[in-house]
Amino acid sequence: NAGVTQTPKFRILKIGQSMTLQCAQDMNHNYMYWYRQDPGMGLKLIYYSVGAGITDKGEVPNGYNVSRSTTEDFPLRLELAAPSQTSVYFCASSYTTGSGQPQHFGDGTRLSIL
Amino acid sequence: QKEVEQNSGPLSVPEGAIASLNCTYSDRGSQSFFWYRQYSGKSPELIMFIYSNGDKEDGRFTAQLNKASQYVSLLIRDSQPSDSATYLCAANYGGSQGNLIFGKGTKLSVKP
Repeated sequence: NAGVTQTPKFRILKIGQSMTLQCAQDMNHNYMYWYRQDPGMGLKLIYYSVGAGITDKGEVPNGYNVSRSTTEDFPLRLELAAPSQTSVYFCASSYTTGSGQPQHFGDGTRLSIL
Repeated sequence: QKEVEQNSGPLSVPEGAIASLNCTYSDRGSQSFFWYRQYSGKSPELIMFIYSNGDKEDGRFTAQLNKASQYVSLLIRDSQPSDSATYLCAANYGGSQGNLIFGKGTKLSVKP
């Protein structure tokens, strides 16, 4: 009963490096989301996807890119990592967007940019 | 700008008491509201959702929604030390994306 799986759990990057945060869900959910959470703050939406091949920007998309080639996977790409991208990243998914449809979260990726 | 406001706390209550967590939202178009619990270093987990005015009860938890006042609350009865966590309020502001706007969360501490 995996749900939403994120890898890696922890990562340290140097300024200017790039990496991909992986997210996979096995619940056949159409909707997937990437959030970042800074200390003492709520979740900020980076990108979301309403289905394979369809993605759109959220509130804080700068410095990130996404793709959605399959229903299951929704990777988040960081290009030219900056210290401001130090955060905890959560991937989430939901089946539909009707009232009461919750988003299910992965365990998160803790990323430090030094 | 769509916002969800929460008192950051910490809110401290004794074991067995009722904890009351509050949330206001700015967008009258918001359709449904969610309460997530987040333990330190962990991911958010859904506790309850509500989309109709009034109260919704689930075990020790009661969610309350007042759309006229744009106010959502979560009551936790018989609070336990294991309820100590940060509680995130989120509003679904509709549209096809089902996007949520999250508040910053209220940290609850239940003292034995």
